[in-house]
Amino acid sequence: KAGVTQTPRYLIKTRGQQVTLSCSPISGHRSVSWYQQTPGQGLQFLFEYFSETQRNKGNFPGRFSGRQFSNSRSEMNVSTLELGDSALYLCASSSLHSGTSKVTQYFGPGTRLTVL
Amino acid sequence: AQKITQTQPGMFVQEKEAVTLDCTYDTSDPSYGLFWYKQPSSGEMIFLIYQGSYDQQNATEGRYSLNFQKARKSANLVISASQLGDSAMYFCAMREGGGSSASKIIFGSGTRLSIRP
Repeated sequence: KAGVTQTPRYLIKTRGQQVTLSCSPISGHRSVSWYQQTPGQGLQFLFEYFSETQRNKGNFPGRFSGRQFSNSRSEMNVSTLELGDSALYLCASSSLHSGTSKVTQYFGPGTRLTVL
Repeated sequence: AQKITQTQPGMFVQEKEAVTLDCTYDTSDPSYGLFWYKQPSSGEMIFLIYQGSYDQQNATEGRYSLNFQKARKSANLVISASQLGDSAMYFCAMREGGGSSASKIIFGSGTRLSIRP
């Protein structure tokens, strides 16, 4: 079974530009979540999608948006990039084991975004 | 309000010893889920273990176990028989409402574990 894939792996943009990151979850997983990791702020939750619906969003400005397609692939978009958006963006897909509360998550390798 | 605290910024442990990484949390929601993740220096994030607040038994996954003490709001990760490959950053996280709930996850600041040969 293929793992979670994220594209691109590395990206360099300049301030004011916009960027779209893609995440393909493990086949059969309908839940995809996104996280931002920076040295200063640590790990922060961005948003989560389940069956094409955004279930929750972290404390990020409206410049950060996302969506999920019918095949569960997800994209996140950051508009009007700022220097502080430089980060590792991680995507994870989750499975909930039926009949239990057990959850398993699988992460992609991440997209490292540098804003100049 | 949700809060996750990892009080050990760094730890050094001798290979083959057991390791306990501390995590305390605060929430007023009776239903919540606790996660542990490992991030080696290569940067990839690896999910280790999950514990639901209503789970009667402590979660275990191979050499990893979660020492869940609900009254103390503590969810320590125990790694048995540590290996050199366990050297990494470890993050504790919590989601209110349980693992499948539509609520955001918050993370601790992490503990850097170094295993000495």
